[in-house]
Amino acid sequence: DAKTTQPPSMDCAEGRAANLPCNHSTISGNEYVYWYRQIHSQGPQYIIHGLKNNETNEMASLIITEDRKSSTLILPHATLRDTAVYYCIVRVAGSGYALNFGKGTSLLVTP
Amino acid sequence: NAGVTQTPKFQVLKTGQSMTLQCAQDMNHNSMYWYRQDPGMGLRLIYYSASEGTTDKGEVPNGYNVSRLNKREFSLRLESAAPSQTSVYFCASTRTREGWTNYGYTFGSGTRLTVV
Repeated sequence: DAKTTQPPSMDCAEGRAANLPCNHSTISGNEYVYWYRQIHSQGPQYIIHGLKNNETNEMASLIITEDRKSSTLILPHATLRDTAVYYCIVRVAGSGYALNFGKGTSLLVTP
Repeated sequence: NAGVTQTPKFQVLKTGQSMTLQCAQDMNHNSMYWYRQDPGMGLRLIYYSASEGTTDKGEVPNGYNVSRLNKREFSLRLESAAPSQTSVYFCASTRTREGWTNYGYTFGSGTRLTVV
């Protein structure tokens, strides 16, 4: 699986958009980009994933660059409950292999 | 749906004691996983089971054994607990299928284990 690089921490004001970057310059053509988050002491929660097209669901949007070497997770209107550690993971889909979590980005949403 | 259920939620063991962490999912998922998370760290894979009847080692398997009892249940056993195994343990599952798409992983709420 390709390695990812994320900033260790970020701040965002409540109500504003939170844009979390992720670099994955060695990503392969068949690897997906996954985003998870972990709210304090809870199990990680799936947010969104994509291959090369931008994706949107009820939680967030995922923007993947055309060369697929980086991506951005967007929380359009951050709330205090979005304070969490966000993990960007790339891996091949359609297999039983596990996700490789790094240290992620600790997002603090402030009032 | 309960999703992924882990038991117990908390446990304190003495060094050398054994115990089994239980995990069950009710989503008809094929693959199941055990992770550990140490303070301030990301999750590290211990063992996984891609499908019923198969298990494989992950990144940190030493000191652990697993059993995929059936499609629903995947247990993690510590034969002789050591203080270095003090951690939060998470079980996860996912529905996998052939092809280029996949689904999100569902995690349990964790078991907080302290070995003294």
